[in-house]
Amino acid sequence: DVKVTQSSRYLVKRTGEKVFLECVQDMDHENMFWYRQDPGLGLRLIYFSYDVKMKEKGDIPEGYSVSREKKERFSLILESASTNQTSMYLCASSLLGELAKNIQYFGAGTRLSVL
Amino acid sequence: GQNIDQPTEMTATEGAIVQINCTYQTSGFNGLFWYQQHAGEAPTFLSYNVLDGLEEKGRFSSFLSRSKGYSYLLLKELQMKDSASYLCACMDSNYQLIWGAGTKLIIKP
Repeated sequence: DVKVTQSSRYLVKRTGEKVFLECVQDMDHENMFWYRQDPGLGLRLIYFSYDVKMKEKGDIPEGYSVSREKKERFSLILESASTNQTSMYLCASSLLGELAKNIQYFGAGTRLSVL
Repeated sequence: GQNIDQPTEMTATEGAIVQINCTYQTSGFNGLFWYQQHAGEAPTFLSYNVLDGLEEKGRFSSFLSRSKGYSYLLLKELQMKDSASYLCACMDSNYQLIWGAGTKLIIKP
């Protein structure tokens, strides 16, 4: 079974702090994604990566950055956390080969509260 | 703009059948996904449709009509463990997923 592990289930941070959310997958997937999930909204893509050291902006990249130094690890960074970044953050991975039927495997999420 | 619509919440009875609808408007179409998400857990893949028609997988079936921009997920013989949110997602011409807000399904005994 594919396993996507997010380092923290719950985080509480203060406004202005630098926050790191870590995600590791164990299936040698090329693609990795960071989403945020808010009530009443669909998953919104923040950043994604097709390969090591490669990153692409998603729909809402402002206020975030990412790092992919190793294939299995994709980090989301909030440079200076703000209260409007309080959300559930979901990491996902998928194989590069399938363009269309590209099944994404998700981690259980990190619920971040910024006070 | 791109949009996915699905009902916010539905209630059904254990043992019954429920149909969760999803309508979409996207720039291009490369398939429609359904995911299940139990509260506090990761979304998990349920089904993928790219051609019109019904795909059956055990108690769950998924239907697609591309001309109508419409899909539904059909759950039969409902069990309490089916209580979850069901996410509809459409893949656009750039192979990016556009997600609906999810339908919370409540199963009552």
